[in-house]
Amino acid sequence: EPEVTQTPSHQVTQMGQEVILRCVPISNHLYFYWYRQILGQKVEFLVSFYNNEISEKSEIFDDQFSVERPDGSNFTLKIRSTKLEDSAMYFCASSEWGGLQETQYFGPGTRLLVL
Amino acid sequence: GEDVEQSLFLSVREGDSSVINCTYTDSSSTYLYWYKQEPGAGLQLLTYIFSNMDMKQDQRLTVLLNKKDKHLSLRIADTQTGDSAIYFCAETNFNKFYFGSGTKLNVKP
Repeated sequence: EPEVTQTPSHQVTQMGQEVILRCVPISNHLYFYWYRQILGQKVEFLVSFYNNEISEKSEIFDDQFSVERPDGSNFTLKIRSTKLEDSAMYFCASSEWGGLQETQYFGPGTRLLVL
Repeated sequence: GEDVEQSLFLSVREGDSSVINCTYTDSSSTYLYWYKQEPGAGLQLLTYIFSNMDMKQDQRLTVLLNKKDKHLSLRIADTQTGDSAIYFCAETNFNKFYFGSGTKLNVKP
């Protein structure tokens, strides 16, 4: 069964460094998403992406964050100048289409620890 | 803004039924979802319900929706130790998902 994959599974970085989290969405899906879950807190929407541009983003997704689809298979989340509070589990998701009726399929997550 | 609330813990004995509850505030939600997260794993879609339905059954899972009270529940019949996980309720608003904090289900043998 097709699935969303994410790499790395764990990443440790120093405060102020840049990190890139990678995702490979399901191959025929057109909409891509990033979420984060700070330990013990809710899963929070960050951004959705379609047709090589951001379609929606939350207030969390500020200038520190960027997303890119560098090729036909990868979808990346870049965090510039990481802060301690960026430590969280980051989930990528994809859906075949956008809209309320579409189910989003989630990857296993990347656990980011900023020291 | 949208808010989704769940109780944090539920403990049941193997073979019993589990009922996990969720409340939400967005009356324009069209789809509501239940996801399962096992330790170290991602979010696995269990089931979803369209807002014009009251109930949906899928094998051991029964979803009940009370749209008037904005209350969603997930019933797991004959709960097994393999059902131990965190269960997240979520509702959609356009392309955004709003998740609850998750209910940790502990199934005792």
